[in-house]
Amino acid sequence: GEQVEQLPSILRVQEGSSASINCSYEDSASNYFPWYKQEPGENPKLIIDIRSNMERKQIQELIVLLDKKAKRFSLHITDTQPGDSAMYFCAASWNYAQGLTFGLGTRVSVFP
Amino acid sequence: GALVYQYPRRTICKSGTSMRMECQAVGFQATSVAWYRQSPQKTFELIALSTVNSAIKYEQNFTQEKFPISHPNLSFSSMTVLNAYLEDRGLYLCGARETGGGSDYTFGSGTRLLVI
Repeated sequence: GEQVEQLPSILRVQEGSSASINCSYEDSASNYFPWYKQEPGENPKLIIDIRSNMERKQIQELIVLLDKKAKRFSLHITDTQPGDSAMYFCAASWNYAQGLTFGLGTRVSVFP
Repeated sequence: GALVYQYPRRTICKSGTSMRMECQAVGFQATSVAWYRQSPQKTFELIALSTVNSAIKYEQNFTQEKFPISHPNLSFSSMTVLNAYLEDRGLYLCGARETGGGSDYTFGSGTRLLVI
């Protein structure tokens, strides 16, 4: 089945700077890549996603990039704020018969 | 819009007992339902994938005998944790999607299970 690697596991950034999380996958047939944000004690919430027919997508301060040849995708949070502190999970899927395979998560901490 | 209601939100059960959690899809047809578990300090593991009118597929390390799932129609699914022990504690999530609606799953609010 699909394997997703996510790095780094911990990321500390200063408020106002950018945070970048990188994920790689193994199955070249994967075509959907969502990102989830999880606050302590809460369920994960979808914050942005990208499909294999795109290379870049931006929603406000969130940018996702997809490199299908390298089988990598990344999340970039620009102008980080304290509210961006949370766990972030990347995931990959190639069809509904597979479900989603999640990365191990990145704990982002934004300090003043 | 598409919503998935999952309940209970939190539950405590005594070691060796069982508990059931349910998911209700609203606004779309839940052709596929995936159940995940997030153990403390870990990522989400897929327990099983259920597709209406097909057999339920369990992932390695998870069995029907331990996590029986029901998916009787296009709006409802339930999963029971049988004979729960400490290692079963964590956040259980159901995610549902509709065939032809892309690969994006809509997740429920999660059921946080504490075993005492």
